[in-house]
Amino acid sequence: QSVLTQPPSVSGAPGQRVTISCTGSSSNIGAGFDVHWYQQLPGTAPKLLIYGNTNRPSGVPDRLSGSKSGTSASLAITGLQAEDEAHYYCQSYDSSLSAWVFGGGTKLTVI
Amino acid sequence: EVQLLESGGGLVQPGGSLRVSCAASGFTFSSYAMSWVRQAPGKGLEWVSGITGSGGATYYADSVKGRFTISRDNSKNTVFLQMNSLRAEDTAVYYCAKFPGSRGVVLVRDYFDYWGLGILVTVSS
Repeated sequence: QSVLTQPPSVSGAPGQRVTISCTGSSSNIGAGFDVHWYQQLPGTAPKLLIYGNTNRPSGVPDRLSGSKSGTSASLAITGLQAEDEAHYYCQSYDSSLSAWVFGGGTKLTVI
Repeated sequence: EVQLLESGGGLVQPGGSLRVSCAASGFTFSSYAMSWVRQAPGKGLEWVSGITGSGGATYYADSVKGRFTISRDNSKNTVFLQMNSLRAEDTAVYYCAKFPGSRGVVLVRDYFDYWGLGILVTVSS
């Protein structure tokens, strides 16, 4: 059971927009801690996609965007492409656990 | 270019010990805090441990506290994870990951900006 809750899977057709939610609590996202997002392609290491809720590292396309409100955050991907098919993880800090915590991950399928 | 390369994984019996290493290059190693994150087969990511740039402060997840020890050798640009009293549930790919801040400290708002390829640790009899 992950501290941050993500839907196990989402899907969309090429060109469409999908969102992945990340729900926390008052000891993590709701406490004001930043949310970050990672992409993990099959058989590879995670890659940072979004940091500090809304910021993209150099090289990450602006088709990807992050937002945060209350105890939740979201990752949006517009103009869906086949190469977006991967697992996506949110991450924050939990003050009750004194630990950096991840969501359980969401598998994005491009249909 | 930042590169992180883990080594030292393998098969170990329950109750045994193993040390994994992560060799870093492409940045001023001593200026950055480092971390270990693991992923059990078919499962999600779990933060395991972190260490400041100087090595003066260390952090552990409850699941490994008292069994794992993180350390670093800044002269060799390497961070280590000593794993003792290993259990079947410690079976995972262990990733070395870098914290972003250049002051070498760890902040609660931190994330992991670069990751190694990972190394598999299997605990089984």
